[in-house]
Amino acid sequence: KQEVTQIPAALSVPEGENLVLNCSFTDSAIYNLQWFRQDPGKGLTSLLLIQSSQREQTSGRLNASLDKSSGRSTLYIAASQPGDSATYLCAVQNTDKLIFGTGTRLQVFP
Amino acid sequence: DVKVTQSSRYLVKRTGEKVFLECVQDMDHENMFWYRQDPGLGLRLIYFSYDVKMKEKGDIPEGYSVSREKKERFSLILESASTNQTSMYLCASSLQFYEQYFGPGTRLTVT
Repeated sequence: KQEVTQIPAALSVPEGENLVLNCSFTDSAIYNLQWFRQDPGKGLTSLLLIQSSQREQTSGRLNASLDKSSGRSTLYIAASQPGDSATYLCAVQNTDKLIFGTGTRLQVFP
Repeated sequence: DVKVTQSSRYLVKRTGEKVFLECVQDMDHENMFWYRQDPGLGLRLIYFSYDVKMKEKGDIPEGYSVSREKKERFSLILESASTNQTSMYLCASSLQFYEQYFGPGTRLTVT
């Protein structure tokens, strides 16, 4: 059974820092991996999708990498800003379902 | 832009009531999903649908049912609401089985 783990559960950093969020999964037979952002009390916003054949995806200050063989993905946020404060979720797709991690709650303070 | 809307942001119901949560998407997506989100447990899939009148159980279907009479609308039904169904409910849709787009969520409280 696929399990997805995110470390750390919470992170608090000063504005301007570069930071890395980690996601690991137990079954490497995935179709893709997706990173989401969730603001308090809101729905999920898709940030990046990495297909199983890809190694990384970039969008602005965000870069996500995927190492299927080791069951790991990282989300790199460059030059963090207070507006980046949110919970970040990763999800892997096995067959027809997305399996979610429990998220990393990020706070960026001025 | 894909838009997924949910009928209510906040809902308060009494134990035993029948509850309907509605979800509508405007991008002609075949696939639609209902999740619940609870602290420490993450998102868990309740039901999903590949097409009109099609439905599949997710990981936690007990106590729920769904209806999909039209492609753009997917309803989640709590036949007899209980306090352990107090949660955040999230609807999503996708064209294929990736790149899911989520609605804003409905926070349901059952008293």
